[in-house]
Amino acid sequence: QSALTQPRSVSGSPGQSVTISCTGTSSDVGGYNYVSWYRHHPGKAPKLLIYDVTKRPSGVPDRFSGSKSVNTASLTISGLQAEDEADYYCCSYAGRSILFGGGTTLTVL
Amino acid sequence: QVHLEESGGGVVQPGGSLRLSCVASGFTFSQYAMHWVRQAPGKGLEWVAVISYDGRITHYADSVKGRFTISRDNPKNTLSLQMSSLRTEDTAMFYCARDFLPYSDYVGYSEFWGQGTQVTVSS
Repeated sequence: QSALTQPRSVSGSPGQSVTISCTGTSSDVGGYNYVSWYRHHPGKAPKLLIYDVTKRPSGVPDRFSGSKSVNTASLTISGLQAEDEADYYCCSYAGRSILFGGGTTLTVL
Repeated sequence: QVHLEESGGGVVQPGGSLRLSCVASGFTFSQYAMHWVRQAPGKGLEWVAVISYDGRITHYADSVKGRFTISRDNPKNTLSLQMSSLRTEDTAMFYCARDFLPYSDYVGYSEFWGQGTQVTVSS
């Protein structure tokens, strides 16, 4: 059960787009379409942004989009806003377990 | 309105035990798988355990297997995590979370989370 691999940090200016990658294996990200993304502000409950690789829960703006290619999933945030500054985690079903990525800190410059 | 409230956290010595609880309201608890997820200080989110809606299936992270036991009491809308042989590296904020789909073993993502309960393992 190894954590999924995410970049430690990304940054962008307001209005720009950023993409966060999440690399796993054929036993998790590549093997199932149960990939999700969360935004987490320390001390608060994580917020689900994307599920089933590309779907958004009700209330999540379409600035957030997800995709997957083979063993790597990606989260793209367009039209960056100051409130987007947070930690982002990918998550994947892995058969008999759930794996999170190590987390990516997004800084809005 | 879905609400999850954890309790039972505290300070415990290495080797000790602690039982966490999560009381659910605002939805039909018996229809959803439930997870425990934790975050150690300065670290990322780590999935701990899951139990299916009917309690038939339980799975654990390797880091807690054999030491933690997840259970549920559907009539009381309560999820539990019995933790034993605690280690300093178990120090974390523990969250309970509801799985996404009803009547599913589990898919692993959660729209609803509690606010967490802090567990500190220290001598």
